[in-house]
Amino acid sequence: DTGVSQNPRHKITKRGQNVTFRCDPISEHNRLYWYRQTLGQGPEFLTYFQNEAQLEKSRLLSDRFSAERPKGSFSTLEIQRTEQGDSAMYLCASSLGRGVYNEQFFGPGTRLTVL
Amino acid sequence: GENVEQHPSTLSVQEGDSAVIKCTYSDSASNYFPWYKQELGKRPQLIIDIRSNVGEKKDQRIAVTLNKTAKHFSLHITETQPEDSAVYFCAASSPGSSNTGKLIFGQGTTLQVKP
Repeated sequence: DTGVSQNPRHKITKRGQNVTFRCDPISEHNRLYWYRQTLGQGPEFLTYFQNEAQLEKSRLLSDRFSAERPKGSFSTLEIQRTEQGDSAMYLCASSLGRGVYNEQFFGPGTRLTVL
Repeated sequence: GENVEQHPSTLSVQEGDSAVIKCTYSDSASNYFPWYKQELGKRPQLIIDIRSNVGEKKDQRIAVTLNKTAKHFSLHITETQPEDSAVYFCAASSPGSSNTGKLIFGQGTTLQVKP
């Protein structure tokens, strides 16, 4: 499968624990995005990487959230001291090219449940 | 801030009928408008997109129209089939200061096609 992959697919954790998700974009895609989707809503932008540089972060991304893309390939999203409000589907997307005219390919997502 | 409004939230049609979903956007600088289909438990998948220099685009049974003056774009599905049943999301992308290509999504429309 050459599409975007995400691990784990599901994560159940207790409030206050730290969690880390991984995204593997399509090979050679230089752009990588993280979105969050809650039930019945559209995805909300969290952060964007161009190669290894994190160029934009949403106001939604509190200081408990951190994302990295150390070698410009896979990316990780860490949530520290999880809260029940963090429960959501975390989607990763990647694209190739410049500007805004680039199709974003989404991964299957990681569903986080905070008890 | 940037915002995309999508209507209706639910739409039920008979097989063979047409379905229309409408979106409005707030950022006049938006210049790329993709539409995604998301089946239950699956990743969003791009079905069609349109750039701001085009008024209409068609791909078989699916068409999208854009009215830049009104900041309004619509998805048209003709000859609907049961497999068209899914949640559809519109989105808009603006160049912004860092040209990230991030997408601002609408709230989604649940389309049900009755056999």
